[in-house]
Order: sequence, then structure tokens, then C-alpha cells
Amino acid sequence: DQQVKQNSPSLSVQEGRISILNCDYTNSMFDYFLWYKKYPAEGPTFLISISSIKDKNEDGRFTVFLNKSAKHLSLHIVPSQPGDSAVYFCAAKMAGTALIFGKGTTLSVSS
Amino acid sequence: EAGVTQFPSHSVIEKGQTVTLRCDPISGHDNLYWYRRVMGKEIKFLLHFVKESKQDESGMPNNRFLAERTGGTYSTLKVQPAELEDSGVYFCASSPLSLRENTGELFFGEGSRLTVL
Repeated sequence: DQQVKQNSPSLSVQEGRISILNCDYTNSMFDYFLWYKKYPAEGPTFLISISSIKDKNEDGRFTVFLNKSAKHLSLHIVPSQPGDSAVYFCAAKMAGTALIFGKGTTLSVSS
Repeated sequence: EAGVTQFPSHSVIEKGQTVTLRCDPISGHDNLYWYRRVMGKEIKFLLHFVKESKQDESGMPNNRFLAERTGGTYSTLKVQPAELEDSGVYFCASSPLSLRENTGELFFGEGSRLTVL
């Protein structure tokens, strides 16, 4: 009964192209959605978030899109760089509750 | 400013033994969280402290796990006795904001990898 689902375990992209990572959720009570990035042997680090009242948030090369009717969000990285190669976790929270994470998607950006 | 630190980085123990993991949050962060990731799975919530009080321990798997945060500073997570399925990476995270204020940004440590043989 996973509430946050990342159905693609891996994604390979060429440097300079767009990376699109997807995430689906089941709970309409989530009020914030986040993306975390994790390098091997390191802890996850916060990347970008979006409130449930918004449909887009942009930070440099990273943009998160939220489609509430489809219960779907995506992270776009443009242009992708080799240093973006990492595991990306989608996460969500409801007011007053801890973060719920997906299983992660491993992004590989080749030069 | 020091980040969240965790010790040990890796522990290998036999089934039935005891292990204690330690987390030092960022100074001044009242909120401390423990999470666990079993290989290939999601990062699962274990529990949340506000200062020295357990705010939510709904994610603790069973009574073999005991978490403490005496004095509201560092926290320990003890597994006794350890079982094979306890293997995974245990992450600690902290935040200066309460769950009501926090939009979800947590500061994670590097994790403690536990291998139970």
C-alpha cells in the first residue's frame, strides 16, 4: 500500500538532454511534494519542493510539475549534466506528518 | 556548521546480537527523525522526536527497536536482538521546524549501514 510510487527504477539520459523523473501518489491529503537527491554513501539532500496549491515550481535547471487530478508529479532536469547522476526520491507529506518516500529512480547521465 | 552526523557508518553483526546507532543532529534542531532503507526499497519512516519526546513512533517495526534522545540532543537507536531482516541503511534527519511549519525539508546524515549475518 505504497502511497508514493516511482515506477521507473532507472533512467539513462545523454548530457545536455532533458531528464524526466516521474512519481505517482495515492493520498489526496498530501500538502507538499518534494524531490531529494542521493549520491552513493551519502544521505539524501533536498532538491526542490512544490505545494499542493501550485502546479509548477522552478529552480534553475530543475522544475517540478504537479498534476493533482492525475495524482502525478514529475521532475524535469534541463540540461542534464553528468553530475546529476544519482538516485532521486520523490516524497510527500500531509500537515503534521512525517515525509513518505518512494523507492527512488537511479538517473545516469552520460557524457 | 556541522551537519547531521551518524555513527557507525557501517556495522556488521550476527543475528541475535545487539547494535546501537547514534545520531547527532544539527545544533539547535529540535526535530529528529529516524528512517530506514532496505536495499532497493523506499526510505521508510521509523520515528520522530521533538526534543526528548517521542512525537510519533508509528513506523517502528517491533519492540526489538528502542530509540532514545536523552536531553534532547543526540539520539540512539538500539536493535536487540538483531534479525536478518533488520539489515539496511538507517538514516537520521533533523529540522529546526515543527511538522506543522515544515514544508518537508529535512537535513539527513550519511546513514549507518547495518548488516546482520
